[in-house]
Amino acid sequence: DAGITQSPRHKVTETGTPVTLRCHQTENHRYMYWYRQDPGHGLRLIHYSYGVKDTDKGEVSDGYSVSRSKTEDFLLTLESATSSQTSVYFCAISELVDTQYFGPGTRLTVL
Amino acid sequence: QKEVEQNSGPLSVPEGAIASLNCTYSDRGSQSFFWYRQYSGKSPELIMFIYSNGDKEDGRFTAQLNKASQYVSLLIRDSQPSDSATYLCAVNWDNAGNMLTFGGGTRLMVKP
Repeated sequence: DAGITQSPRHKVTETGTPVTLRCHQTENHRYMYWYRQDPGHGLRLIHYSYGVKDTDKGEVSDGYSVSRSKTEDFLLTLESATSSQTSVYFCAISELVDTQYFGPGTRLTVL
Repeated sequence: QKEVEQNSGPLSVPEGAIASLNCTYSDRGSQSFFWYRQYSGKSPELIMFIYSNGDKEDGRFTAQLNKASQYVSLLIRDSQPSDSATYLCAVNWDNAGNMLTFGGGTRLMVKP
């Protein structure tokens, strides 16, 4: 997985609780991304980062925030989880023009 | 809105046959195109990318790009049961931000 880890790999939480997912890379790549993958919707971009403390919104950013205080870490936070945020979350990294490599994913269930 | 479309399948082919996977996209300004393979329960892995019109070959895989018709395809020769997976097409609309838009994927089944 190109030196990318995600934690936790699985999480079950309840509606209204905050959740933070972590993506860690050892490749020193500049760009990092958070996607969610749902049946019938494919991969959709939530947020991305183009450098430390530089982030921007993707296609489905409502209800999510991100932070990147170090090159190697990109955090995704659900401030108050909802059942519609039950999904598989993938982190990806990129250094060259646009080739992205994906982490192993986190399966999140919000009850 | 920029869209990437794929037939969800499943596409079923016998072992040893050529599998042809297609993808269309909505924006003529698209710069680069990617094919990812995703096994069930796993993360997407990059197979190929293509930037220019024409064919690009890598082993059993050939990517074909036709910008005028706005489609990109992936051919898998001598298909094997291990090729059974979902294939995702992705398009980069411009090189700023390195963002990709993904299609919904085509599920390929290769039968022994």
